[in-house]
Formats: sequence, C-alpha cells, structure tokens
Amino acid sequence: QVQLEESGGGLVKPGESLTLSCAASGFSFINYYMTWIRQAPGKGPEWISYISETGDTKYYGASVRGRFIVSRDNDKDLVHLEMDNLRPEDSAIYYCGRGGAAAGDEWGRGTLVTVSS
Amino acid sequence: DIQLTQSPSTLSASVGDRVTITCRASQNVNKWLAWYQQRPGKAPKLLIYATSTLQYGVPRRFSGSGAGTEFTLTINSVQPDDFATYYCQQYDDWSWTFGQGTKVEVK
Repeated sequence: QVQLEESGGGLVKPGESLTLSCAASGFSFINYYMTWIRQAPGKGPEWISYISETGDTKYYGASVRGRFIVSRDNDKDLVHLEMDNLRPEDSAIYYCGRGGAAAGDEWGRGTLVTVSS
Repeated sequence: DIQLTQSPSTLSASVGDRVTITCRASQNVNKWLAWYQQRPGKAPKLLIYATSTLQYGVPRRFSGSGAGTEFTLTINSVQPDDFATYYCQQYDDWSWTFGQGTKVEVK
C-alpha cells in the first residue's frame, strides 16, 4: 500500500535551517508529482510546494518562496524540503503528499517543526 | 493569491441529515477545486477533486458541484464517521490555497 513517511522535524532557533525528507513506497514514485503542505496548531492547511515527476518544475507558496527548496531523488524515492532562515511562523506539522490529484491524494503522518528561541 | 471562503465555519448536524458546505473563490478557478476531510491529529483526506470527481474509496454520500467561483460539498445522510473538519482547496493557478475550514459537529 501507499506509504509516505516524513522525517527531519525538530526544534530550531529563528534564522536556522532544517531539511525535511519524505520516503515514499508502495507506488511508482517517478509517475507522481509530490507536494508539501503544513498546518500550524489550530489552523487550516497551507500549501508549501510542488515538484513535478522529473523534478524539473517546482512551485512554492508565497510565504516560503526564496527560503525553501524542494527536491527529489527518483532513484531512492525520496522528496526533500530544505528550509532556510526559519521563522517562528514556520512552526507547524509538515506533510508530504502524493500528487495523484489536487494537492495530494495520499499523505504521510507529518513531522513537527518548531521554531523558537 | 486566490482566496477561498467557506461557509459556514461550523455546522451542527444529526446522523442522517443532509449537509451542504459552500466554498467561494475570489476569482475563477474553473473546475480545479478539491475537498478534503480532516480528523483531529490526522492528515487531510482527499474526498473530491476537479469539483465533482469522487476519490477512490470515498462513500457515494459525498458529492461536489459548482464551477467558476462557487462550489458546494454535500453529504447525504451524515454518518458518525463524517463529523470532522472539511477544507476546500483550489489548484487552478500555481499558488494553491485552502479554505479556512468548516467543522461539522454533532447537534
């Protein structure tokens, strides 16, 4: 069955960097675009990034554009989200999604990122 | 960015009720509108995409309709499993956005 497992979350200070990873299994990874969304406590989801099947096309939400970089490794079925210059408002649960439709048709359990001094 | 406004924010219903949630977009998103269900502590679950296409495995009591800037999610005969928060999401342009959510609670 489809499995997505995020890792790499943790507690960091403002201005620091963090890289999240998402390991995919149970489907043909190279045939799907992948997305990241995040959800702050008590808030609705916020779309963060999209990466095409080949990795050639990437899009970002306005709040993270210029600070976050998405990449993928189609040999290892991995997606990464490099996050630089983190801010307290970046604190959230980060989910990676399989792009079967819309923002994603399957999701991982998420990884918590906390940005606090 | 395209703004999505859901109404109502909270909806009280009883098992067996028919409920309708509305999502209004600040500009035309054509048919590129999806609906997600989210339970506390869980990732969103895709219910409907492209306005009205039911995701595989989703019960037929869920349906979506609309076009352009106004969309609806209908649950025919709400079941105990359906008490959750619902979000619309547009993917017409390359700055995808979610609505603020509608919580369906037990009356």
